[in-house]
Amino acid sequence: AQSVTQLDSQVPVFEEAPVELRCNYSSSVSVYLFWYVQYPNQGLQLLLKYLSGSTLVESINGFEAEFNKSQTSFHLRKPSVHISDTAEYFCAVSARGTGGFKTIFGAGTRLFVKA
Amino acid sequence: EPEVTQTPSHQVTQMGQEVILRCVPISNHLYFYWYRQILGQKVEFLVSFYNNEISEKSEIFDDQFSVERPDGSNFTLKIRSTKLEDSAMYFCASTGWRTVNEKLFFGSGTQLSVL
Repeated sequence: AQSVTQLDSQVPVFEEAPVELRCNYSSSVSVYLFWYVQYPNQGLQLLLKYLSGSTLVESINGFEAEFNKSQTSFHLRKPSVHISDTAEYFCAVSARGTGGFKTIFGAGTRLFVKA
Repeated sequence: EPEVTQTPSHQVTQMGQEVILRCVPISNHLYFYWYRQILGQKVEFLVSFYNNEISEKSEIFDDQFSVERPDGSNFTLKIRSTKLEDSAMYFCASTGWRTVNEKLFFGSGTQLSVL
């Protein structure tokens, strides 16, 4: 079975500062890794994903994440955050189990960007 | 981009009553899921559904829960006798054969409040 740990429940940061949201996973099989974002009063949206190939993946709005197999991590980073990045961020792991593919989410990290 | 549609957006019910949460997945998708998010907590997997049967279910998905795809377009979650602790945001998700490894498409959720 797979599991996901997000080490920070809340991350306050000033606008234009860099940020890192940490995610570690465990799994006995190969996994696919995702970051989803949830803006206030909205559903979950895919931010970026790692399936295979380059371990550094990027989103269209400046976020990036690096898959580190040896450390079983998939930390999310942005060099300069905006007020509009304030949201809940969920790391997720998808793997094939006995019943097919299942996606498991971490507890979430609330990013709060201050002016 | 095509969307997963969930209705209603909010549902208020009395404890012990039956509720049906409705979802219209993306039309050519084959894999369907229900997740829930209790306020302030993580997104939890409830059940996955493929080929008209449950693929996998979590410990949360007990005998009070059932899912159905009655007409080839809707995907419903029924809670037979609601409890206070069933109050949560319920998310429906779907994905297709080509994207099963890549992402889940989430609806905007149904906020269920059990009084």
